[in-house]
Amino acid sequence: DAKTTQPTSMDCAEGRAANLPCNHSTISGNEYVYWYRQIHSQGPQYIIHGLKNNETNEMASLIITEDRKSSTLILPHATLRDTAVYYCIVRVADDYKLSFGAGTTVTVRA
Amino acid sequence: EPEVTQTPSHQVTQMGQEVILRCVPISNHLYFYWYRQILGQKVEFLVSFYNNEISEKSEIFDDQFSVERPDGSNFTLKIRSTKLEDSAMYFCATQTRRGDTQYFGPGTRLTVL
Repeated sequence: DAKTTQPTSMDCAEGRAANLPCNHSTISGNEYVYWYRQIHSQGPQYIIHGLKNNETNEMASLIITEDRKSSTLILPHATLRDTAVYYCIVRVADDYKLSFGAGTTVTVRA
Repeated sequence: EPEVTQTPSHQVTQMGQEVILRCVPISNHLYFYWYRQILGQKVEFLVSFYNNEISEKSEIFDDQFSVERPDGSNFTLKIRSTKLEDSAMYFCATQTRRGDTQYFGPGTRLTVL
């Protein structure tokens, strides 16, 4: 049961901002939005998460709409090393597992 | 920055053999997970482990699989009798407490011949 919908793929120019959308229209009040990425077949790498407020860290910014039905991950200055599959995951606060979908394959081009 | 480590990075085994995959969690983490990813497919949850007990497992985690923390540091996944379809990347993940952020290891590529 996919709780999130992401585009299958997107391209981004090196040095430009990459805006990755995610729809989670059935999100519940106690569910967080997590973003991970996976470079080649490496282990998923945590990027950022949020509940309802916008969040920013050294890697990215997360913008969550007021109704919480969608969010956008922003990579401010994409580099070639940001080429990866990006996963948007909705997770209950005290849940154990992460449920991965197919994600968005982001290709950063020089 | 503390990291989750996994050994071996690549394991090749014959069908029917037992394999043990090892994970060293981040030092203050108390919750441990195994996930797998068959080539070209999604990352799938296998099992979560806390306080020396399985807290949740998926349908994939059948009697052929077991987990333990044998020495208080390592966290292991054992596959008793490997099948061809067990070939996959296996990822360990750990977190400090329930609901916290999970951090993943680099994975072990298991190839069953």
